[in-house]
Amino acid sequence: GAVVSQHPSRVICKSGTSVKIECRSLDFQATTMFWYRQFPKQSLMLMATSNEGSKATYEQGVEKDKFLINHASLTLSTLTVTSAHPEDSSFYICSAREHTGHSNQPQHFGDGTRLSIL
Amino acid sequence: DAKTTQPNSMESNEEEPVHLPCNHSTISGTDYIHWYRQLPSQGPEYVIHGLTSNVNNRMASLAIAEDRKSSTLILHRATLRDAAVYYCILKKETSGSRLTFGEGTQLTVNP
Repeated sequence: GAVVSQHPSRVICKSGTSVKIECRSLDFQATTMFWYRQFPKQSLMLMATSNEGSKATYEQGVEKDKFLINHASLTLSTLTVTSAHPEDSSFYICSAREHTGHSNQPQHFGDGTRLSIL
Repeated sequence: DAKTTQPNSMESNEEEPVHLPCNHSTISGTDYIHWYRQLPSQGPEYVIHGLTSNVNNRMASLAIAEDRKSSTLILHRATLRDAAVYYCILKKETSGSRLTFGEGTQLTVNP
């Protein structure tokens, strides 16, 4: 089945550090990737929709200058948390939808990145 | 967006069938019913989806009410590995439409 690889799986760093998370579709092309954030005991919240070759679409309340998204190829999207602070500590998850022309293809999720800011 | 309502939690015994309900009384004609599940410390995993007819795959079955205002995810024989949060999500049939996760149902499987 379709596989999405997310890296790194865990990051622990000091406040003020910028952290880059990669999301790769390993065996399919994805024109659209999604970035979610999940706090403990809560559901996933969509942060932004990443489109290959164009600017990401951010959800209301998500700072685009803080969460930089780049989707430069059909198999790679990156999320950079700039100048991370303790309140940015969370579980970040990406997903990708296979580019088949059928809009109801399921989304394939990565295994998430647990970010801890000290 | 049309919303779904699921019980917060359910319990089952290993090797018994599990019926996970979902209410979506405001569903529109273009909404597909998707089910995903999330195991602890992992990203969600696609389970099944359907529009009007019941659907079966290797993981589960999806039974959709005739009026489409409710659906049931059926795990035919629960295993300990099926313990997860199960999300019932309505998704429009438009290109690029996203998934909006609710609180889901925490399924506990007892040995």
